[in-house]
Amino acid sequence: GAVVSQHPSRVICKSGTSVKIECRSLDFQATTMFWYRQFPKQSLMLMATSNEGSKATYEQGVEKDKFLINHASLTLSTLTVTSAHPEDSSFYICSARLAGEGDTQYFGPGTRLTVL
Amino acid sequence: AQSVAQPEDQVNVAEGNPLTVKCTYSVSGNPYLFWYVQYPNRGLQFLLKYITGDNLVKGSYGFEAEFNKSQTSFHLKKPSALVSDSALYFCAVRDSPGFQKLVFGTGTRLLVSP
Repeated sequence: GAVVSQHPSRVICKSGTSVKIECRSLDFQATTMFWYRQFPKQSLMLMATSNEGSKATYEQGVEKDKFLINHASLTLSTLTVTSAHPEDSSFYICSARLAGEGDTQYFGPGTRLTVL
Repeated sequence: AQSVAQPEDQVNVAEGNPLTVKCTYSVSGNPYLFWYVQYPNRGLQFLLKYITGDNLVKGSYGFEAEFNKSQTSFHLKKPSALVSDSALYFCAVRDSPGFQKLVFGTGTRLLVSP
């Protein structure tokens, strides 16, 4: 149980285009999902907290107009990188919170974004 | 603010030997502590958590962790390491009470040699 999927697993796009990444909780409902960014050989950096039916909460320094988050249902959150540039190239990972003891977060497999 | 520290960038151990990956924490209130493992180009996999109760927590793949309040530590252990355990391990603590965010350590790379 507690499986989280992400799609696509890998995407290459041209500079200036937008890219949408989907995060789904497959066997549980998640009122809260999280989006992280990970640079090579570094820890995870929380970008935003996505709440179903309401606006996302962005961490300091993360541009909300650049990284659009939509949590339209209890099993789906999407991250759209708008007008992507090479510096946006990174590994993006989502997680979904399973409510209950300790509110464990279960992570998706990640999406490797490369902007040319 | 809540925080965790992983003092070792890398831990090397021979297959079959016991392994320990260290984590210390700093929290206000009761800590909610987690261990995750990350394989190359993959997301994080949940290993185990400490909320309350027994100080020795058993998790997935034969891993366990010992919560030590006096030493503010939550070290990850396994009695007999496998080559396939080689990966990046993250300790995390839930942010302040009422918050849902996790605060991660910097990660420890475990390398198990045959």
